[in-house]
Amino acid sequence: NAGVTQTPKFRVLKTGQSMTLLCAQDMNHEYMYWYRQDPGMGLRLIHYSVGEGTTAKGEVPDGYNVSRLKKQNFLLGLESAAPSQTSVYFCASSYFQPRPYGYTFGSGTRLTVV
Amino acid sequence: SQQGEEDPQALSIQEGENATMNCSYKTSINNLQWYRQNSGRGLVHLILIRSNEREKHSGRLRVTLDTSKKSSSLLITASRAADTASYFCATDANYGQNFVFGPGTRLSVLP
Repeated sequence: NAGVTQTPKFRVLKTGQSMTLLCAQDMNHEYMYWYRQDPGMGLRLIHYSVGEGTTAKGEVPDGYNVSRLKKQNFLLGLESAAPSQTSVYFCASSYFQPRPYGYTFGSGTRLTVV
Repeated sequence: SQQGEEDPQALSIQEGENATMNCSYKTSINNLQWYRQNSGRGLVHLILIRSNEREKHSGRLRVTLDTSKKSSSLLITASRAADTASYFCATDANYGQNFVFGPGTRLSVLP
């Protein structure tokens, strides 16, 4: 089925470790996004991309890096994990603006940093 | 900073009743969206309403937009237990390149 796939679904990291979260979409969407969701905070934008080879910072980019080498993939990297990065991470994709048809979200990655 | 803010934070109703959630925002928008999130799942897009529209319907959902008051409402009619979820409004930002989500309303529909 068409959609957004996130891997892994769960991960536990030790403080200081690094990891990469992978997001893949097969809908030929131009825009892709990484959000984090914390209790009572809603979703906060980490980084986003408006096309292959482009990335931009969102509201909470510190401690994260991203890459969009292929149109269908958007990678989120944590260079040195901190307990404050314990969260649920969601990837989303959409068609380009100014006609957004809504985001399609992945099912999330639950990350715990101990 | 959050652009949209949903109200109430939590809502509990009986099956068959209507549920109304509100969203207020601070700056002018071009589009506003509503999403649903079931526990432990990703968000699902419900409705997008443009700034030149006042009302949209989709099944049992009705969304209104009042740009003069910078507010929107989501009405779910004849609610079902399956409507139990969190509901988020999202407003466009950064010239439409991304949307900003509010903290959400947790709806519980009791059988």
